[in-house]
Amino acid sequence: EVQLVESGGGLVKPGGSLRLSCATSGFTFSRYSVNWVRQPPGKGLEWVSSISRSGSDIYYTDSVKGRFTISRDDAKNSLYLQMNSLRAEDTAVYYCARDQGGSYPYFFDYWGQGTLVTVSS
Amino acid sequence: DIQMTQSPSSLSASVGDRVTITCRASQGISNYLAWYQQKPGKVPKLLIYAASTLQSGVPSRFSASGSGTDFTLTISSLQPEDVAAYFCQGYYTVPPTFGQGTKLEIK
Repeated sequence: EVQLVESGGGLVKPGGSLRLSCATSGFTFSRYSVNWVRQPPGKGLEWVSSISRSGSDIYYTDSVKGRFTISRDDAKNSLYLQMNSLRAEDTAVYYCARDQGGSYPYFFDYWGQGTLVTVSS
Repeated sequence: DIQMTQSPSSLSASVGDRVTITCRASQGISNYLAWYQQKPGKVPKLLIYAASTLQSGVPSRFSASGSGTDFTLTISSLQPEDVAAYFCQGYYTVPPTFGQGTKLEIK
């Protein structure tokens, strides 16, 4: 069974940092691109970042460029998102999602349960 | 960025009704379109990809069509368990973008 389990969310002050993790199982992690997608409370979905299976192709939405860093550890079957200089508008549930694409993000066939990030003073 | 616009934003229909949701892209995206269902308090679930290909395990009452800029998701006979928000997502370019969602309720 394919599983993705996020962790690392919580309450942080504006300007602070958090590191999200996504532990995966049930599939060969190294063969898939993976993504972070977020959803502010009561709102729609927003793609945040993608990393290809090789790790050589990385993309970010404009609003997080220079502040967020995506990475992966194939030995640990895990995806990460380092979030710095956090803003109130980054408040959301953050999902990791498996991608059916190649070098750039496509569609997402499996999602984790999400981890809530709240940025507030 | 390519903008995805869904209509309607909300919809109320009766059990057994045929329901159609529309998604329009701000520029042509060929068939690079997916649909997701998100039930209240749950994780998004992939329903359709490549504009019309049903994901494994999705009931056959769901279907979708379209190409270029105009796409539709159809539920042939609405069931109570279909109460959810539905999102389209284009993936022709980076960034992949989602529609704002359509909230479907039972009348």
